[in-house]
Amino acid sequence: DAGVIQSPRHEVTEMGQEVTLRCKPISGHNSLFWYRQTMMRGLELLIYFNNNVPIDDSGMPEDRFSAKMPNASFSTLKIQPSEPRDSAVYFCASSPFGVGNEQFFGPGTRLTVL
Amino acid sequence: GESVGLHLPTLSVQEGDNSIINCAYSNSASDYFIWYKQESGKGPQFIIDIRSNMDKRQGQRVTVLLNKTVKHLSLQIAATQPGDSAVYFCAENGGGGNKLTFGTGTQLKVEL
Repeated sequence: DAGVIQSPRHEVTEMGQEVTLRCKPISGHNSLFWYRQTMMRGLELLIYFNNNVPIDDSGMPEDRFSAKMPNASFSTLKIQPSEPRDSAVYFCASSPFGVGNEQFFGPGTRLTVL
Repeated sequence: GESVGLHLPTLSVQEGDNSIINCAYSNSASDYFIWYKQESGKGPQFIIDIRSNMDKRQGQRVTVLLNKTVKHLSLQIAATQPGDSAVYFCAENGGGGNKLTFGTGTQLKVEL
């Protein structure tokens, strides 16, 4: 079982560039979550999807951030334009839909914006 | 100005001792709780969960206790090992859906 797959694992970019983070959830899981983790703010939920539909995007910091889930096996988180304060580790997690199901986390993408 | 990071509470224990990590949750409507372990450079990993109709649940070397009266959750690790060194997060579901809200975490350090 491959678990949640994220790519790239590390990304270094310059301020103003577009960044796209990718996630493949565990097969059969129909809920997908994007989190951001920083020393300043801890682990924050950005957005989550049920059955490919965005349910709650209240954690998305600003319009520069967008997320899509075109099908059950793929999601992207895009930052355009990126800023140094976006530097963080971004995690994707998936779970079977339903109340009280554990979320399985990917290894994360460490983003550095110079 | 100088940025200040989150101050993680730290628990230091001797190898072989039992560890107790505490968490105060915020939403009285929460009915599902999880403990996660995060090692350096990795994503959070599920340890154990508990639903609100229980006050105790045991796993392998771990026990979770839930006190709904005071909104308190604890994780007990028996015979703590060096591999248990990590940051531990509690999470609650807020009473509906599958969205989780995470606590700030506790750093567990196991001393040899």
